[in-house]
Order: sequence, then C-alpha cells, then structure tokens
Amino acid sequence: DSVMTQSPDSLAVSLGERATINCKSSQSVFYIPNNKNYLAWYQQKPGQPPKLLIYWASARESGVPDRFSGSGSGTDFTLTISSLQAEDVAVYYCQQYYYTPWTFGQGTKVEIK
Amino acid sequence: QVQLQESGPGLVKPSETLSLTCTVSGGSISNYYWSWIRQPPGKGLEWIGYIYYSGSTNYNPSLKSRVTISVDTSKNQVSLKLRSVTAADTAVYYCARGAEAGKGGFDYWGQGTLVTVSS
Repeated sequence: DSVMTQSPDSLAVSLGERATINCKSSQSVFYIPNNKNYLAWYQQKPGQPPKLLIYWASARESGVPDRFSGSGSGTDFTLTISSLQAEDVAVYYCQQYYYTPWTFGQGTKVEIK
Repeated sequence: QVQLQESGPGLVKPSETLSLTCTVSGGSISNYYWSWIRQPPGKGLEWIGYIYYSGSTNYNPSLKSRVTISVDTSKNQVSLKLRSVTAADTAVYYCARGAEAGKGGFDYWGQGTLVTVSS
C-alpha cells in the first residue's frame, strides 16, 4: 500500500496567520503521461463527512475559498491556509488516488491559538 | 444537487454480516465510481472499495475476502456487505462519489452511518 504520512499531527495557529500541513507519500503519485499528481486534500469538521478541498494536488474545488492552496509533486505535498479563519478549525486529510488501495493520511488537527 | 444517504442497521452482532445501502438523489449513478469509506470513532479514514456503475469493482486487499459492493442502477443505489464482522469493524461508514471526469478525489459524500459491532 502507498502510505501517506502527514505532519504535524496537530497545530495551533492564530487567527489570520498561515497554517501549513505536509503530506508525504511512500511512492510517487505523479503520472508522467498527463503531468498530474493524484493527490487530494479534505477538510473534516466534527460530526460531518470530509469535504473535498483540493484535487490534482493544487486544483481548488469549486466553492473552496482561495485562502486554501495545495502544492508539491511526486511524494511531497503541502496544504496551506494563508489566513486562518475560525471556521477552518477541522481535521485535514490528504489522500492518494494513484494506486489502489486508495489511502489517506492520518489527519492533521488545526486549532486556534 | 447530488445527495447521498446511507442506511442500514446501526448494530450488528459479531460474526454476522453488515449490510448498508447508499441511495443517490439529485443525479445519476451512471458514469461514476462509487466508494465506501469507513472511519472508526476518533480515527482516520479507510477506503473499503469502489464499484463503477457498470458493475466492475475494486476492493481494499485488507478487506477483500469479506466485502461485496454492488450497484442497482434502476434504484440509484449502491450497497455494501461486510461479512464476519468483529468489534474492529465498528465505524462510521460513508459512501462517496468519485469525482467527475477531469477531476480527482471524492466530491460528494453521504453524512455517514455509525455501525457498532457488539453482542
């Protein structure tokens, strides 16, 4: 299985400050023929299902605020929240959809400092 | 607006079969992949498997021997059966749609249903 490892497990950021979450895949999820990274990011709030934020590592899902951005390629990826808002408190997951079984990172909990 | 709704028993006895149904409304099941994903209480997400609307499937090897996913396009439903359950199968079970062509990930999710395995 392709193991997804996120860091840190949790972080506390002041309102308006930047939050950065890292995700490392045990295998490259970059597909050369279409130049795409098969990597998605989700936000999960308590009692809710995950919500798709980012796909292809950096493409923002429709309706997602532009303070959320994804970057990286191959095995190393980053989700950045440029200016943390109170409603961004959640657990964030990365997921690779290159290899089956599709796998998720363990999650990163984002809180307000 | 596409909506997914999981349904089924909330309590299953050990060694029995967990059976859930996902009903899709506001859109067609056709031309999409439909996955089941579970989340044990307080833990992370585990992909169980998917079915394409045509019926082809792919299962997580960790569960493959116990899982069957099926589709009923006439009812716009996807079903999950997990046999020989144990307490380790206690989780919130989600159905989710594989994103439309040109995109990736899971773009629509059900609210999830908690299944507890206990005698």
